[in-house]
Amino acid sequence: EVQLEQSGAEVKKPGESLKISCVGSGYIFSDDWIGWVRQIPGGGLEWIGTVYPGDSNPKYNPSFQGHVIISADKSTATAYLQWGGLRASDTAIYYCVRHGHYYYMDVWGQGTTVIVS
Amino acid sequence: EVVLTQSPATLSLSPGERATLSCRASQSVNYYLGWYQQKPGQAPRLLIYNASKRATGVPTRFSGGGSGTDFTLTISSLEPEDFAVYYCQQRSNWPSMTFGGGTKLEI
Repeated sequence: EVQLEQSGAEVKKPGESLKISCVGSGYIFSDDWIGWVRQIPGGGLEWIGTVYPGDSNPKYNPSFQGHVIISADKSTATAYLQWGGLRASDTAIYYCVRHGHYYYMDVWGQGTTVIVS
Repeated sequence: EVVLTQSPATLSLSPGERATLSCRASQSVNYYLGWYQQKPGQAPRLLIYNASKRATGVPTRFSGGGSGTDFTLTISSLEPEDFAVYYCQQRSNWPSMTFGGGTKLEI
């Protein structure tokens, strides 16, 4: 079964750094792009960015560029989303996604809740 | 950036009725549009890709249509488990993509 398993919930203070992870299994991790999606409490979905594990050259939504870093390690089948300085407005659920079939988000992680307060 | 506008924001229907959800793009996205379903407390799930193709395991009561700037998601006869939030998403300028604001389908 194809799965994306995300790291657990985090509670941080403004200004702190954070790195959350997403481990892929059940498929060849380096074959498909991996992305991150944000969902603010009670809000909609926002695409943050996407990386191809084979070359680790991430593409970002301009709204998030410079505030987050996306990376992937194909040797451990793990993708990462990190912040150097969290803000209260980063409080949200973060999903990792596989861009599989025709690059749509066909597999989703369970979500990582990040609270910045 | 392509902006996707979904309507209505909320749709109130009963089981057995037909639901039609709309997604309009600010510029043509060809047929590069997908639909996702999200139930409370769950991650979204891909329903439709490339405007009209059902993803694996999606019931046949779900159908997608449209091209260019206007798209629809139709649920032919609502089941109780279909009441959820639905999002459209375009990937016409891959690897950039955007989501619509969502339509809440409520009983």
